[in-house]
Amino acid sequence: EDQVTQSPEALRLQEGESSSLNCSYTVSGLRGLFWYRQDPGKGPEFLFTLYSAGEEKEKERLKATLTKKESFLHITAPKPEDSATYLCAVQARGAQKLVFGQGTRLTINP
Amino acid sequence: EAQVTQNPRYLITVTGKKLTVTCSQNMNHEYMSWYRQDPGLGLRQIYYSMNVEVTDKGDVPEGYKVSRKEKRNFPLILESPSPNQTSLYFCASSFGFRGGNTEAFFGQGTRLTVV
Repeated sequence: EDQVTQSPEALRLQEGESSSLNCSYTVSGLRGLFWYRQDPGKGPEFLFTLYSAGEEKEKERLKATLTKKESFLHITAPKPEDSATYLCAVQARGAQKLVFGQGTRLTINP
Repeated sequence: EAQVTQNPRYLITVTGKKLTVTCSQNMNHEYMSWYRQDPGLGLRQIYYSMNVEVTDKGDVPEGYKVSRKEKRNFPLILESPSPNQTSLYFCASSFGFRGGNTEAFFGQGTRLTVV
């Protein structure tokens, strides 16, 4: 069974304090790994797709990386507006669904 | 503007009273799906559709129905809602998972309470 585990569950940082969120996965052949951002009361917003180990993608203060067992979302010099829940999801080859982790709730204090 | 639109955003209903949550997308996406989000359980897929008239069960389909008569619409039907269906529901659409851009776009959510 495909599984995704995110850690930590919650993370509180000071503005400018860089850190990383972890997404560990087990999947029967990875088609893609996705990162989403979710603000309270809103739907998930797409951030990145990673397809193969070694791949990296960046967007503003965020960088996502992928290995064969896990993905990291690195946040560099975060700002309060980066506060949100970050969701990781995987899609297995041939599957028609995303399997989500439970998310990391990130709070950036000014 | 590309978007997935769900209605209603909030709904309180009584056990057993049939309800429909609508979902519409304007991106000509083939693939649409419904998820529910519960504390501690994350997002779980209810049903999905790969194209018009093609639907299939996700991980938690019990108590739900869907239909896909038009490409843009994918309503979620609760024939006889029960309190354990109280949840936050999301509709999502994408071009599908066969290749190319596969990211899913989500609606704003429908918070359903069944009393």
